[in-house]
Amino acid sequence: TQLLEQSPQFLSIQEGENLTVYCNSSSVFSSLQWYRQEPGEGPVLLVTVVTGGEVKKLKRLTFQFGDARKDSSLHITAAQPGDTGLYLCAGAGSGNYQLIWGAGTKLIIKP
Amino acid sequence: SQTIHQWPATLVQPVGSPLSLECTVEGTSNPNLYWYRQAAGRGLQLLFYSVGIGQISSEVPQNLSASRPQDRQFILSSKKLLLSDSGFYLCAWSEWDRLNEKLFFGSGTQLSVL
Repeated sequence: TQLLEQSPQFLSIQEGENLTVYCNSSSVFSSLQWYRQEPGEGPVLLVTVVTGGEVKKLKRLTFQFGDARKDSSLHITAAQPGDTGLYLCAGAGSGNYQLIWGAGTKLIIKP
Repeated sequence: SQTIHQWPATLVQPVGSPLSLECTVEGTSNPNLYWYRQAAGRGLQLLFYSVGIGQISSEVPQNLSASRPQDRQFILSSKKLLLSDSGFYLCAWSEWDRLNEKLFFGSGTQLSVL
């Protein structure tokens, strides 16, 4: 069974600080996605990483896929209150319709 | 552009009552459709997915069923709700970008079974 472990589960920091969220597995994924979800809404896709070692930047967010495609990280620079939300990672195996979801990291950025 | 509609936004139902949640997608044809359940502030559990009309795959044995009577309509049902059916239900459709499948979610239904 493929599992994705996200850490930390909860993070509360001050505006302007940096943070990193991790998504780890013992399984290899063909790609990995990061979603952000606000309360009472559905998750919204932020990025998909596909290649081992790949780094993608989305403004202050930097996403990295591990060389072995078993792990990923999301780094936020100079966090802002608008970054508050639940961050979910989801890994895609090969040849099936089911994404493997992490349990999420609840992020609160205090002004 | 594609849009997904899910309703109702909130629902409070007594134990033993039936359930029907509806999801429709506009602006795309023959999408893959999904029903997920999410515990408060946690990850997603896939309940059902469908690759076409009348084609339903169930991922978790449970008190729920799904149907796809039309290409862009996906319905989640139960004949008798249990307390454990409470949760946040999300409908999603997907599209493929090269070899990667991207999910687009509805705004969810918060179901409370009392």
